[in-house]
Amino acid sequence: EDQVTQSPEALRLQEGESSSLNCSYTVSGLRGLFWYRQDPGKGPEFLFTLYSAGEEKEKERLKATLTKKESFLHITAPKPEDSATYLCAVQVRGNEKLTFGTGTRLTIIP
Amino acid sequence: GAGVSQSPSNKVTEKGKDVELRCDPISGHTALYWYRQSLGQGLEFLIYFQGNSAPDKSGLPSDRFSAERTGGSVSTLTIQRTQQEDSAVYLCASSLWGGETQYFGPGTRLLVL
Repeated sequence: EDQVTQSPEALRLQEGESSSLNCSYTVSGLRGLFWYRQDPGKGPEFLFTLYSAGEEKEKERLKATLTKKESFLHITAPKPEDSATYLCAVQVRGNEKLTFGTGTRLTIIP
Repeated sequence: GAGVSQSPSNKVTEKGKDVELRCDPISGHTALYWYRQSLGQGLEFLIYFQGNSAPDKSGLPSDRFSAERTGGSVSTLTIQRTQQEDSAVYLCASSLWGGETQYFGPGTRLLVL
């Protein structure tokens, strides 16, 4: 069974304090790994797709990386507006559905 | 351009009643997905449409749940004889083709009393 585990469950950082969120996965043939951001009361907002080990993608203060077993979402010098729940999901070959982790709730304190 | 839209935004119903949730995908997207997000749990896949066909219904939790898609566009998720455990946020997503990046709507918050 495909599994996705995110850690930590919650993370509080001071504004400007860089850190990383982890997404570990066990799947039978990865097609893609997806990162989404979800604000309270809203639907997930797409951030990145990673397809193969060694791939990296960046957007503003966020950088996502992928290995054969896990992905990291690095956040550099975060701002309060980066506060949200960050969701990781995997898609396996031959299957269109996404399997999600339970998310990391990130709070940036001014 | 317009994103995925869902209606209603919120729905409160009584146990045993039927509810219909609607999803309008991004124009031109052939694939449509329904997920459910319960308090404290991750997003849970329900059903996938490619065009008007549903090749994967494996996530529907019981035969009280059904969905259809017409004209390759709008989809309706129907829950019959609602139970309190059906209370959740129901999210719809669409993608250009199956396997492509999925874009989510704002969700419908369902509360069954």
